[in-house]
Amino acid sequence: NAGVTQTPKFRVLKTGQSMTLLCAQDMNHEYMYWYRQDPGMGLRLIHYSVGEGTTAKGEVPDGYNVSRLKKQNFLLGLESAAPSQTSVYFCASSYPTGELFFGEGSRLTVL
Amino acid sequence: GENVEQHPSTLSVQEGDSAVIKCTYSDSASNYFPWYKQELGKRPQLIIDIRSNVGEKKDQRIAVTLNKTAKHFSLHITETQPEDSAVYFCAASILGAGSYQLTFGKGTKLSVIP
Repeated sequence: NAGVTQTPKFRVLKTGQSMTLLCAQDMNHEYMYWYRQDPGMGLRLIHYSVGEGTTAKGEVPDGYNVSRLKKQNFLLGLESAAPSQTSVYFCASSYPTGELFFGEGSRLTVL
Repeated sequence: GENVEQHPSTLSVQEGDSAVIKCTYSDSASNYFPWYKQELGKRPQLIIDIRSNVGEKKDQRIAVTLNKTAKHFSLHITETQPEDSAVYFCAASILGAGSYQLTFGKGTKLSVIP
């Protein structure tokens, strides 16, 4: 039982490059989320999904896209990376009412 | 949307003393208030939560209180220990509305001095 797994854990991009972060959960959770964490800013919701095939915008969605083709996976894409997207990204999953289980985080640096 | 303010941003206490972190929220419809602890370099983990039909909840050395009228809730840690040193985040959300968006405060860095 791995819980929530994120890949990759570290990545360095150049401005304008694209990449995808993968989140996988094995707890059969309906809800999945992508947050970004920046110093002094707490955890800010980028996008979330309440079920397979559904996605919705969170607080800071600009510059990101997501997909939830399978219940256990939630992908976060950056089409044209910018230095402002340098951050630590956390994926999380949950049942509709209850605790969020976070992945270990993915540290992204955009040069 | 919901706005959660958290104070203080940093807090230092002597080992054995108590620590209190306070949060206010803006949306009176919010009914679920969890607290997460994040140790350095680790993922956030839930330590305690409270729902709006309860005024106080305790779990060993930690407790959370909720004042719905004033729209604020607090985390209390008694007999602090060095392993309590971490960043603590409060959050608020509306459960049962078809979605489940947690809005987090900006965090409090707690340092427990041995």
